[in-house]
Amino acid sequence: NAGVTQTPKFQVLKTGQSMTLQCAQDMNHNSMYWYRQDPGMGLRLIYYSASEGTTDKGEVPNGYNVSRLNKREFSLRLESAAPSQTSVYFCASSSSTEETQYFGPGTRLLVL
Amino acid sequence: KNEVEQSPQNLTAQEGEFITINCSYSVGISALHWLQQHPGGGIVSLFMLSSGKKKHGRLIATINIQEKHSSLHITASHPRDSAVYICASLNDMRFGAGTRLTVKP
Repeated sequence: NAGVTQTPKFQVLKTGQSMTLQCAQDMNHNSMYWYRQDPGMGLRLIYYSASEGTTDKGEVPNGYNVSRLNKREFSLRLESAAPSQTSVYFCASSSSTEETQYFGPGTRLLVL
Repeated sequence: KNEVEQSPQNLTAQEGEFITINCSYSVGISALHWLQQHPGGGIVSLFMLSSGKKKHGRLIATINIQEKHSSLHITASHPRDSAVYICASLNDMRFGAGTRLTVKP
């Protein structure tokens, strides 16, 4: 089992460019999450999907959109990247929203 | 809004020392999650607990739901324990800023 996988591992964007971060899990989990991690701030929830077909905003959703493509995949889209979105992005999954979360390796994004 | 706070922010210890990391939160929760983030960035789950105490090897986590407080203890610390330790409330997916632990040989 690969667990939670994320692509790409690293990306550089120019301000205004768009991109999609991909996340997939092979643990048959119902719930999936996107977080960003900034120095000194801890992990902050961007969006989550409690189950296939549903998505909800987290603490910092502005500037992002998500798609729960199927039970395995949950993507995060930046429509018009801004320097403030420079961060490390983590995807996670769990069997339910009250169970242990398993994290992907992270995507390091730099917006110039 | 639930505030999750950890202390200390940074901790340096000598190998073999007993380590305590504290986590407090402002809103009642049903369960707390302790995570470890390795120097390479990977995040792994250590414990999820809703009451009492859990032990895994040299790691012990305790929680007092009434006092809104949890602690993570590491006995006989080792340089390989060097990492950032993060507590999180799963109810609202709020995370502490982390405690950076460095264990020197």
